[in-house]
This record gives sequence, structure tokens and C-alpha cells, in this order.
Amino acid sequence: EDKVVQSPLSLVVHEGDTVTLNCSYEVTNFRSLLWYKQEKKAPTFLFMLTSSGIEKKSGRLSSILDKKELFSILNITATQTGDSAVYLCALYSGAGSYQLTFGKGTKLSVIP
Amino acid sequence: TAGITQAPTSQILAAGRSMTLRCTQDMRHNAMYWYRQDLGLGLRLIHYSNTAGTTGKGEVPDGYSVSRANTDDFPLTLASAVPSQTSVYFCASSDRDRDTEAFFGQGTRLTVV
Repeated sequence: EDKVVQSPLSLVVHEGDTVTLNCSYEVTNFRSLLWYKQEKKAPTFLFMLTSSGIEKKSGRLSSILDKKELFSILNITATQTGDSAVYLCALYSGAGSYQLTFGKGTKLSVIP
Repeated sequence: TAGITQAPTSQILAAGRSMTLRCTQDMRHNAMYWYRQDLGLGLRLIHYSNTAGTTGKGEVPDGYSVSRANTDDFPLTLASAVPSQTSVYFCASSDRDRDTEAFFGQGTRLTVV
């Protein structure tokens, strides 16, 4: 059974801090790893990391994938109060049955 | 606007009653998913469908059924609701051939009393 474990479960930082969110996984047939941000409603997509794309960056957010050690990190630099959200890591897996498995998320709170 | 639509947005349901949560997408995605989200437990997969005509069980399928008669629609049915099915339900879809990210509906908040 595929497994996605995120840490920490919650985190409180001050504006301007840099944070690192962790995601480790166990999977039979890896396809890709995804990061989402969830505020009030539905998750919104941030990054997809695959065997051919193990590092992504968008503004203050960046992510890397280590397929050998089976983990990914999401970095946020110069945090802002608008970064407060739950960050979800998810795994696409499967050769026959194609599933998307989520971790429990990391709740980030950025205080002024 | 293209996307994925869920209905209703919220519902209060008496225990023992049945209900179908609707999900429709217009992106011609072959894969669709139903999740429930509970505090502290994250998004848990209930059922999924890789293509029209096929479905599979996720992590928490008991008490739920799905069908995928066509590409666009993926309804989730609770045959006899129980209070433990109180949750926020999200439908999602993706193009597995192009390995796109999953797109989410806005969710249905269901309260079983």
C-alpha cells in the first residue's frame, strides 16, 4: 500500500522566515509527486515532480525530489501571512490502477 | 469556464437516508477521484476511476458506491448514511495519459444527523 508521510503536522513562523516542509513516501510504482496548497476550499496545485523533473521553482516557493531517499521538500522563503495554509503532498502511483494518495498535510501559520 | 463541478455545496442528511453527491467535469479527463477530508486525517481516497466504465476502491470505500457511465460524470452514493460519514467531500479529475495534476471541485460539506 502506498504511503505518504508529511512533517511537521503544524508549524508557526514569523513573516520573513524561511520554512521547509517535508514529505516522505513509500510506493510500488512511482509516477510523480505533487504539492498542493489548501486554504479555505479546494486544494490548488503548486508543483509536480517526476523522474525527469526533480526540481521546481516558482517565486518564493521551490521543491526538490530525491527519488533515491524517497522524499521531497517544499521550501518557502520570505514567508508572508498569505502563505498561511495547509500544504499537501500527494503521490501518483500505479501501473494498472492509477491512484493519487495524499499525506495528512502540514498546517503553516505565518504571523506578522 | 472549464473545470469540475460538485453539487450540492452542502447538505444535512438524516441518518439512514441515501444520497448521491454529483461530480461533473468538462475537461475530458479519463481519471476521476472521490476523497473525504476530515480534521487531522487529510484527504482520504474513497473510490477512483481510471476510465469510463471502470472503478476501483480507495482507502475508505465502505458505505460508498460509485459509477462511471461516461467520461464526464462520477457520482458518489451513500446508500444508508451514518454520522461517521459527516465530512467534506472532494471530487477531482486528471488526465492520466498526459500525467496532469489533479483538478479539484469546490467540495460538498455533508452533515449526517
